[in-house]
Amino acid sequence: EDKVVQSPLSLVVHEGDTVTLNCSYEVTNFRSLLWYKQEKKAPTFLFMLTSSGIEKKSGRLSSILDKKELFSILNITATQTGDSAVYLCAVEEWSGGGADGLTFGKGTHLIIQP
Amino acid sequence: DTAVSQTPKYLVTQMGNDKSIKCEQNLGHDTMYWYKQDSKKFLKIMFSYNNKELIINETVPNRFSPKSPDKAHLNLHINSLELGDSAVYFCASSQVGVGTDTQYFGPGTRLTVL
Repeated sequence: EDKVVQSPLSLVVHEGDTVTLNCSYEVTNFRSLLWYKQEKKAPTFLFMLTSSGIEKKSGRLSSILDKKELFSILNITATQTGDSAVYLCAVEEWSGGGADGLTFGKGTHLIIQP
Repeated sequence: DTAVSQTPKYLVTQMGNDKSIKCEQNLGHDTMYWYKQDSKKFLKIMFSYNNKELIINETVPNRFSPKSPDKAHLNLHINSLELGDSAVYFCASSQVGVGTDTQYFGPGTRLTVL
């Protein structure tokens, strides 16, 4: 079973709409949850979340984590065509020697139509 | 069942040694990548490779070299390891030109150079 599940897998909206992307996870020793935006080039880092209920915000993007229900959402308001991308969620776990690698979800492909 | 796998998961070695990290994907993708994750969780692309083209990030020292024995494997070889090479390295794969070009990531290899 996948440890990190993103939904929806794809989403098409019109410019100006608000979207909410979901990421649920199931890991043993949770450390942090990260969001990346992937366009044709390398994924760019958006947010790292470690605590429940604290919203992280950057411009029109915001994200929050719920460690009790084991999920995170990424919100994008007033979407623009430049927001079109694959949004990746990844979860980092603790291991005996420090933080482990990342487990990535399959991504949400977001398309913003003019 | 694993889509993209990396070995080893952890690698601890002395400065000056030469080491390799292996990556395999069973998705039938034609392009593979190596990334270095920095302390701020940014993913910095090092190489992208398909059977036609190797694209090297010019900032990557030439001590790092990708080796691809076949389409499903892209190994990362590192000569004369330095302390600053300590990081988590991620392999990824994608099918370029089809659909979203979503990259599927491996779990990461934590390299520690002493």
